[in-house]
Amino acid sequence: GIQVEQSPPDLILQEGANSTLRCNFSDSVNNLQWFHQNPWGQLINLFYIPSGTKQNGRLSATTVATERYSLLYISSSQTTDSGVYFCAARGGTASKLTFGTGTRLQVTL
Amino acid sequence: EAGVTQSPTHLIKTRGQQVTLRCSPISGHTSVYWYQQALGLGLQFLLWYDEGEERNRGNFPPRFSGRQFPNYSSELNVNALELEDSALYLCASSLLQANGAQHFGDGTRLSIL
Repeated sequence: GIQVEQSPPDLILQEGANSTLRCNFSDSVNNLQWFHQNPWGQLINLFYIPSGTKQNGRLSATTVATERYSLLYISSSQTTDSGVYFCAARGGTASKLTFGTGTRLQVTL
Repeated sequence: EAGVTQSPTHLIKTRGQQVTLRCSPISGHTSVYWYQQALGLGLQFLLWYDEGEERNRGNFPPRFSGRQFPNYSSELNVNALELEDSALYLCASSLLQANGAQHFGDGTRLSIL
């Protein structure tokens, strides 16, 4: 099945800083999603982005399907951005999402 | 529009017991997925139901089972609970079985004593 790798595993930022999170996947995908898991365990949909670029407020994402990677950009980070960011992909005829191991983000004052 | 709802939010059981977790998908979604997030093991796919049928299952023993009802809600049953079943169980639903984005509920946190 598809393999999903995320980097970096951990990230500490000061409030106001920008960051880029990366997701590499091993095969062509028909679904790629970015999630934010908050400290209470809630998995929040950020983007559904099997290809192209999307923006939502301070967050944006780009997936280059031909090169098998996706990037999540966080600008002007806030303490509420803290948590774990997951990339998940589905390829071929698979039904399940395969999750990466996540990037743990801590935003400090 | 209501999101995916799961119940209960927390549950404490002892080894050997059985548990049933419930999930209601977003209205109009026919596919329901179950995932397990155990400490140190990441998010692992458990089961996929669509139109009342089990379509796929992950690498879990048969004591993990479930079903989907005519209203597309779903139950996850775990028999003969073991300590390593302690985890957050997440349910997701999607509109299209192949390419639709999956939307997750808040999960059920199961603790086995």
